[in-house]
Amino acid sequence: GAVVSQHPSWVICKSGTSVKIECRSLDFQATTMFWYRQFPKQSLMLMATSNEGSKATYEQGVEKDKFLINHASLTLSTLTVTSAHPEDSSFYICSAKDRRKTQYFGPGTRLLVL
Amino acid sequence: AQTVTQSQPEMSVQEAETVTLSCTYDTSESDYYLFWYKQPPSRQMILVIRQEAYKQQNATENRFSVNFQKAAKSFSLKISDSQLGDAAMYFCAYRSTGNQFYFGTGTSLTVIP
Repeated sequence: GAVVSQHPSWVICKSGTSVKIECRSLDFQATTMFWYRQFPKQSLMLMATSNEGSKATYEQGVEKDKFLINHASLTLSTLTVTSAHPEDSSFYICSAKDRRKTQYFGPGTRLLVL
Repeated sequence: AQTVTQSQPEMSVQEAETVTLSCTYDTSESDYYLFWYKQPPSRQMILVIRQEAYKQQNATENRFSVNFQKAAKSFSLKISDSQLGDAAMYFCAYRSTGNQFYFGTGTSLTVIP
């Protein structure tokens, strides 16, 4: 199947700093990428839909200014958690949609804010 | 809005046996896609199987097959000849015509040696 990578896989940062997470589709072009958040033993919560060349669409309750999304190319979307706080600690997963409109997921990024 | 329900938070199966994971969904759409994803302890989401709603034939992928009952809005996953590597969280997902994905709450599968 298609391959999606995320970087970094693990990040620890101080409260108040910003963290950027990259999501790349390695062997296909993805006009649409998705960002999810997952708490322990819970399902995936869609945060936003990232469309190449346009503004991201955020789900209700997700702060746009807090979670900045940029989808500058057909293979790369970035999520920046600005002024991170301990409550932002979570597992962030991206996915990319291929031509058959199937989602392929990245391996996730564990964020710990101290 | 579409909802996806997985009523079994946990399931267990003996190695080499067969297990069925349940999933129901609610929708008013006629054209949509259904998926089963597996999330092992590594937390990497892996596509297991997909089903197009317009296809009557149930999808199969090796030891994995589905029982798709469109009228009943049911989409169960059958795992045959269960292996230790099948132990994981399994998420049922619905993709709408608007390309929105909705996930169930997951079923944790334990495989007993």
